This record gives sequence, structure tokens and C-alpha cells, in this order.
Amino acid sequence: NAGVTQTPKFQVLKTGQSMTLQCAQDMNHEYMSWYRQDPGMGLRLIHYSVGAGITDQGEVPNGYNVSRSTTEDFPLRLLSAAPSQTSVYFCASSSAGAFGNTIYFGEGSWLTVV
Amino acid sequence: GQSLEQPSEVTAVEGAIVQINCTYQTSGFYGLSWYQQHDGGAPTFLSYNALDGLEETGRFSSFLSRSDSYGYLLLQELQMKDSASYFCAVRGGGFKTIFGAGTRLFVKA
Repeated sequence: NAGVTQTPKFQVLKTGQSMTLQCAQDMNHEYMSWYRQDPGMGLRLIHYSVGAGITDQGEVPNGYNVSRSTTEDFPLRLLSAAPSQTSVYFCASSSAGAFGNTIYFGEGSWLTVV
Repeated sequence: GQSLEQPSEVTAVEGAIVQINCTYQTSGFYGLSWYQQHDGGAPTFLSYNALDGLEETGRFSSFLSRSDSYGYLLLQELQMKDSASYFCAVRGGGFKTIFGAGTRLFVKA
């Protein structure tokens, strides 16, 4: 009954450090995505993937890298952390198809860059 | 590109009905969804409209008019626990799903 699992839940980084947010789903979903949410704001799409080996940029991709080597995993890499990347990050997954568009979210990762 | 507009805040009293509107612009369209998010939590799915008309799920209903690029979420018999943020989202070209900025609903006793 895991759904979408993302780690770590909390992280503090120094400016310039790199890190990877891990995301895994056990629902065999084709689509996976990463969103960031700033205080009082909506969710902004960083990167998304429509299947293993396929990724594409969302609304705010700069400073982030992704890869999708398996259906289950979709890690998000921060290359050189900046204070502007302080945010809550949500990994999400959904099944393919135009209908039944239910997105399942992980619990979120709270990232602070100092 | 894709963009969505929804009101930033709505206030209503317990037991009342509230409607949250959403207008969108998208290069492709596969459906309009609604999500609820409580403070500190993750968004959770409420409803989805791919075709014009009304979808009802318990106290929640959602409406879509594709010709007007417009939809709304209707919440009936409001309860205190409905105080949360509500997001509309559009799955558009390339199957990207973009979210609106959210509507903060305050339910008063």
C-alpha cells in the first residue's frame, strides 16, 4: 500500500551543494513528475516522464536534472543548490491514457538552502 | 503554453454551498482535474472532467465547459474540515499536467 514514496522528508543544504531527491512508485504508472510548491503558491512542474528512458522539461526546469531508468524510480537532482530552490518538492505519478487522470502524490520533501 | 486562473481565496459558512471557478488556456486538452490540499499535506485527487457536463462525487461536484475553457468545483454542505486549498489542473499537450495557483477556502462556524 506504499503508493508514491519520496525521500528525504526534510533536508538542509548549503548553497552550491548538490543532492538527489529520491522517488519511487509501486503502482506501475507510466507517468511520473516532480513539482515544487513555494509558500502560499500552487504547484509548478519541474520535469516529467512518460515512461522509462523518456523525460521532458516542465515549467521550471533550470537547476534540476532527472532520469528515468526504470518504471518505478524518478530521482530529481539539484546540481548546485541555490536559496531560490528552497521549497517543498512533490513527486507524483499517474497512469497513461487521456481518461482517469488521477495523480498520486508523495508526502513531500521540505528543502531549505542556506 | 498552459495557464490557469482561479480565485485566491473564498470564505463560506458551515453548511453552505461554495463554487470555485477555474479558467484555462492550453495548447492541448485532455481533462480538468481538482485537488484538495490541507496545510502541510500532499494534494489529493477530488474529481476529473474530460467531457462537458457535471460530475458528482458525494458532496463534491465538478463542471466543465470545453468551449468556454471553464470549469468549477462545487462543494455542498460545507464542513469545517473542508477548509483547505483547492487546485484546478489541466492535462494538456504532451500529457503535461499544469496546476493553478490554488484557492484557499475558509469555512466559518
